[in-house]
Amino acid sequence: AQSVTQLDSQVPVFEEAPVELRCNYSSSVSVYLFWYVQYPNQGLQLLLKYLSGSTLVESINGFEAEFNKSQTSFHLRKPSVHISDTAEYFCAVSEVPSGSRLTFGEGTQLTVNP
Amino acid sequence: DTEVTQTPKHLVMGMTNKKSLKCEQHMGHRAMYWYKQKAKKPPELMFVYSYEKLSINESVPSRFSPECPNSSLLNLHLHALQPEDSALYLCASSQATGRYGGYTFGSGTRLTVV
Repeated sequence: AQSVTQLDSQVPVFEEAPVELRCNYSSSVSVYLFWYVQYPNQGLQLLLKYLSGSTLVESINGFEAEFNKSQTSFHLRKPSVHISDTAEYFCAVSEVPSGSRLTFGEGTQLTVNP
Repeated sequence: DTEVTQTPKHLVMGMTNKKSLKCEQHMGHRAMYWYKQKAKKPPELMFVYSYEKLSINESVPSRFSPECPNSSLLNLHLHALQPEDSALYLCASSQATGRYGGYTFGSGTRLTVV
């Protein structure tokens, strides 16, 4: 079984400031790692994923996350946030190779203020 | 087509009604999922279908009845629901083991039980 801990339930930041959303996981087997974003009254959108290979993964809208196996972490970062980044962010893991059970963290509400 | 389509987007039903939620994908994914999400909480897995067969039932009450008529369609039949079943119901799909690339989520059905 695996579990995910998102260390901050709420992160308020000012526009154009950097941000880091922290995610730690626990699993007895190898995992795939994901960040999903959920805007109000919408479904989940995949932001980025780590399946294998390079431990640094990037999204098209400026977010990046780094898989750190020794620290069992997959923190999400953005060097400069926009008002439009305000949303709920979920870190999630699933087991290699089946991926059949996606386990979510409790979520982090990112609020970007002008 | 890279989307998961859920209908209806909103549903209000009485406790004696029977209704169905529908989910459709045309990405050739052979695994499909139902998740339930309460406000300010992460999604919770309900059911997993793999190659049109039910592979995981997370001890969901029998008033929720899933159905997978073919590889592109997933239904969730609802009967005699309770007000506490009001939530956002999310459908997702993924490729089969060995070609796994993560889940694609639909935008959800917002269900209100009155």
